[in-house]
Amino acid sequence: NAGVIQTPRHKVTGKGQEATLWCEPISGHSAVFWYRQTIVQGLEFLTYFRNQAPIDDSGMPKERFSAQMPNQSHSTLKIQSTQPQDSAVYLCASSLVLGSAETLYFGSGTRLTVL
Amino acid sequence: AQKVTQTQTSISVVEKTTVTMDCVYETRDSSYFLFWYKQTASGEIVFLIRQDSYKKENATVGHYSLNFQKPKSSIGLIITATQIEDSAVYFCAMRDPYGSSGNKLIFGIGTLLSVKP
Repeated sequence: NAGVIQTPRHKVTGKGQEATLWCEPISGHSAVFWYRQTIVQGLEFLTYFRNQAPIDDSGMPKERFSAQMPNQSHSTLKIQSTQPQDSAVYLCASSLVLGSAETLYFGSGTRLTVL
Repeated sequence: AQKVTQTQTSISVVEKTTVTMDCVYETRDSSYFLFWYKQTASGEIVFLIRQDSYKKENATVGHYSLNFQKPKSSIGLIITATQIEDSAVYFCAMRDPYGSSGNKLIFGIGTLLSVKP
């Protein structure tokens, strides 16, 4: 079991450019979550999917952020027109089912730096 | 809205001693789930232990245990016989499926634990 895989580990973009972050959940896991981590805000929820369907995107900045899960083996988080305040570590997590007691398994994250 | 608060920014202890990390949460619901996660220096976040709100017994896993005080909305993490490798940032988190936050985990800001020889 390779765990949750996130690519790339590091990404540097210029202000106004687009960034796409990839996540491969643990095989067989039906729930996928995206979080953002910064020193100031800590771990912030962005969005999650269950069986590839978007369930809650209440944490997503509406205008420039979008997430998709085209199949059960990967999810993407796309940030258009990146801004310096988007700099953060973006974490993907998966769980076996979407249950209240279920443990989240986190990937190593993608560190996004917007210059 | 649900909220998780960790007031201790950092704690330093000598190895082999016991440390307690505090966490308080806010919810209007009677049924919810509380978690502790650990983030190592490499950035890896791993699950440590969980407490279900309807259980009166404090959860214990290895050298981790919880001090669950429901009337005080408090869920402290206790690490006994600390080791150097326990040095990390510890996050408290809550899932409140019947509240406005639904099935997402709400995290506290974290407590940095340093274990020294």
